[in-house]
Amino acid sequence: DSGVTQTPKHLITATGQRVTLRCSPRSGDLSVYWYQQSLDQGLQFLIQYYNGEERAKGNILERFSAQQFPDLHSELNLSSLELGDSALYFCASSPSASSYNEQFFGPGTRLTVL
Amino acid sequence: AQKVTQAQTEISVVEKEDVTLDCVYETRDTTYYLFWYKQPPSGELVFLIRRNSFDEQNEISGRYSWNFQKSTSSFNFTITASQVVDSAVYFCALSEADGGTSYGKLTFGQGTILTVHP
Repeated sequence: DSGVTQTPKHLITATGQRVTLRCSPRSGDLSVYWYQQSLDQGLQFLIQYYNGEERAKGNILERFSAQQFPDLHSELNLSSLELGDSALYFCASSPSASSYNEQFFGPGTRLTVL
Repeated sequence: AQKVTQAQTEISVVEKEDVTLDCVYETRDTTYYLFWYKQPPSGELVFLIRRNSFDEQNEISGRYSWNFQKSTSSFNFTITASQVVDSAVYFCALSEADGGTSYGKLTFGQGTILTVHP
């Protein structure tokens, strides 16, 4: 158990809908990262937050947004869902924003868009 | 731009065989960090090791060993005397210091599916 929690574990929804994925980092970690894992794209970095502020952005679609709250949990919002958004979404956390830190991953949320 | 290549898509071995997973990376930074993660069938990503760009010392941890060669931009992972429980997808990843501004984002390779048969 990495100490990172993600809810829900599974999510099934329809095209055009909006969903919210939630992540709680390990105790003491200030940085949260979101990644998407799909068969065609592999593991792709989406976005990083550090202590409530956006720190780095990767291949995140405009339909997707995220935030990190004062209690350091993070939410990833996916809207106008398309079939191609079906994937495993991971949250990870680390103590700081440094590239030196290993990241500890949550169990993931499997999103299925029908 | 940074890139990680794991040329071996799938490897199949019989238990007790040694197996090496290859990883080649590209980066323009002089300071960077390399990682290996394991993704067992249960799906979670498990951190295995981190290596700094300025430390080329090889590392051994039990049956696992890592060979970092800056000259060939490679960071290979060897499992000695493989076991069925080693069956998983293994990912190599790179994180750059980005010219002094440190971001933690990981660039992952495509992964190598390792199957160890009894």
